[in-house]
Amino acid sequence: NAGVTQTPKFQVLKTGQSMTLQCAQDMNHEYMSWYRQDPGMGLRLIHYSVGAGITDQGEVPNGYNVSRSTTEDFPLRLLSAAPSQTSVYFCASRRARTGELFFGEGSRLTVL
Amino acid sequence: TQLLEQSPQFLSIQEGENLTVYCNSSSVFSSLQWYRQEPGEGPVLLVTVVTGGEVKKLKRLTFQFGDARKDSSLHITAAQPGDTGLYLCAGSPGGTSYGKLTFGQGTILTVHP
Repeated sequence: NAGVTQTPKFQVLKTGQSMTLQCAQDMNHEYMSWYRQDPGMGLRLIHYSVGAGITDQGEVPNGYNVSRSTTEDFPLRLLSAAPSQTSVYFCASRRARTGELFFGEGSRLTVL
Repeated sequence: TQLLEQSPQFLSIQEGENLTVYCNSSSVFSSLQWYRQEPGEGPVLLVTVVTGGEVKKLKRLTFQFGDARKDSSLHITAAQPGDTGLYLCAGSPGGTSYGKLTFGQGTILTVHP
């Protein structure tokens, strides 16, 4: 029962570097999403996907790219990291029948 | 963007006390969810309310959805240290955007033994 798996759990980057946060789910959920969590701001939606080959922007998409080539995987790419992207990132998939989101354990990213 | 305001932002109480967390908006939501998050983990769903005026109970936790579906509350009776965590409300505008939840800022609850 892996659920939603995120890697890495921790990452330190220098300004301008690029990286990919990986997310995989084994529940066959069509909907997947990425959120960032910052103190006092709850969870803010970055990008989401309603199925393989379909992605769309959320509330704070700038500086991030996503793709969805399979139902299972939904990677988040930072093209040129900035200190403002220091945050905890959560990947989530959704059970269609109930709308329940299942979250990964999070990836803590620090950009110096 | 539909906004959800949670209050209070911080709550520090003694074991055995009762508490209420509020989630308010000027927008109407088709459903509202409450999640609980512990340090180092992702949020976990506690409940979903979908009908205006609906009340749901989960052991010592009581959730209410406002009649106009613009607000919700979470009441905990006789809080225990195990209730400590971050509580988040999340609203869905409905339709095809069911999964595009808007989250409140969260309420950090600390229950002291």
